[in-house]
Amino acid sequence: KAGVTQTPRYLIKTRGQQVTLSCSPISGHRSVSWYQQTPGQGLQFLFEYFSETQRNKGNFPGRFSGRQFSNSRSEMNVSTLELGDSALYLCASSLKVTGNTGELFFGEGSRLTVL
Amino acid sequence: AQTVTQSQPEMSVQEAETVTLSCTYDTSESDYYLFWYKQPPSRQMILVIRQEAYKQQNATENRFSVNFQKAAKSFSLKISDSQLGDAAMYFCAYRTLQGAQKLVFGQGTRLTINP
Repeated sequence: KAGVTQTPRYLIKTRGQQVTLSCSPISGHRSVSWYQQTPGQGLQFLFEYFSETQRNKGNFPGRFSGRQFSNSRSEMNVSTLELGDSALYLCASSLKVTGNTGELFFGEGSRLTVL
Repeated sequence: AQTVTQSQPEMSVQEAETVTLSCTYDTSESDYYLFWYKQPPSRQMILVIRQEAYKQQNATENRFSVNFQKAAKSFSLKISDSQLGDAAMYFCAYRTLQGAQKLVFGQGTRLTINP
């Protein structure tokens, strides 16, 4: 079955703009989480959604937001972009059921460059 | 809060030889998951191996095995018979057993395979 799909793969924005990234999880997976990957900070958890509800949020400013739709697809939005927001944004999906393996399945990421 | 530390930013090994990547973590929980993920240059994060903390037996997946020392909070990855395709960034990650699907990652170890 298809893996986690993220769009767009690459994008370039300028400071002050806003951006929306999309993630389609593996069919049947209802939990979607987002991570930011930078050379300096490594992989940092942004947020997790399950059944259209944000269940957990990382330590990021309010400019970072997200949502999940009824089909489990998720979007994340970053407003008022700053240079430091340049990163690879990874989406991961998982089965959120008791006794699951705990594994997260990752997409290939969206590479955001802020100029 | 849980933390994960990978003390080796880079490692290299000759093809067909064995290499061990180190990982330590800090947690007050007694049950949790530990993972090693591989991120090749194509960027997609792939699960290499998984360990449930309540299992004393070390996990093994073909050429990959772990040395899980719960009391020492250590979780090293051994790659036997290294192959060129093993070249990648390797991330150690921690996940609580309850609730959040959030992974806490180490900073990663870049593994180079020398032919």
